[in-house]
Amino acid sequence: KAGVTQTPRYLIKTRGQQVTLSCSPISGHRSVSWYQQTPGQGLQFLFEYFSETQRNKGNFPGRFSGRQFSNSRSEMNVSTLELGDSALYLCASSSGDYSNQPQHFGDGTRLSIL
Amino acid sequence: DQQVKQNSPSLSVQEGRISILNCDYTNSMFDYFLWYKKYPAEGPTFLISISSIKDKNEDGRFTVFLNKSAKHLSLHIVPSQPGDSAVYFCAASASSGSARQLTFGSGTQLTVLP
Repeated sequence: KAGVTQTPRYLIKTRGQQVTLSCSPISGHRSVSWYQQTPGQGLQFLFEYFSETQRNKGNFPGRFSGRQFSNSRSEMNVSTLELGDSALYLCASSSGDYSNQPQHFGDGTRLSIL
Repeated sequence: DQQVKQNSPSLSVQEGRISILNCDYTNSMFDYFLWYKKYPAEGPTFLISISSIKDKNEDGRFTVFLNKSAKHLSLHIVPSQPGDSAVYFCAASASSGSARQLTFGSGTQLTVLP
């Protein structure tokens, strides 16, 4: 069974630009969550999508947005990039129902802002 | 306010011995707990989870213990192997509402010495 796939693996941008990251969940999983990992703040929740709707949102500015398509694939967009946005962005998928099911992570996209 | 804490940034254990990783939480709404293992340049890999209705869950060499009154959980690895060397994260979520948002600890670097 294929795991969570994130593209691209590495990305270099400059301040002020925008970026779009992509995530393909495990087949059959309808929930996709995004997390940011930095050395200072650790792993922090960005948002979760389920059935093309944002179901939950973390404490990040509006420059961070996302969407989910009908096939459950998800994209995350960051506009007006800042140096502090340099991080590993992780996507995780789960079945999305109400039972206790673990989230499974992709290998992330390493974003560097120059 | 850190709701999930891993107070030991690192732990070294001899091969074949037991590794015990600890995690404390403050939010009494948390009712589902997970452990993930992370190698460099890879995403977190799900290891084992436990629901708050249980106090112990086993899966092969991995056992998670939950002490709800102390708001404490631990991961036991027996016997420890060199391949277990990685960063271990504990995570927690609350079932209130329809979304599942994981709150992570800061991680413990486990080194298993041959």
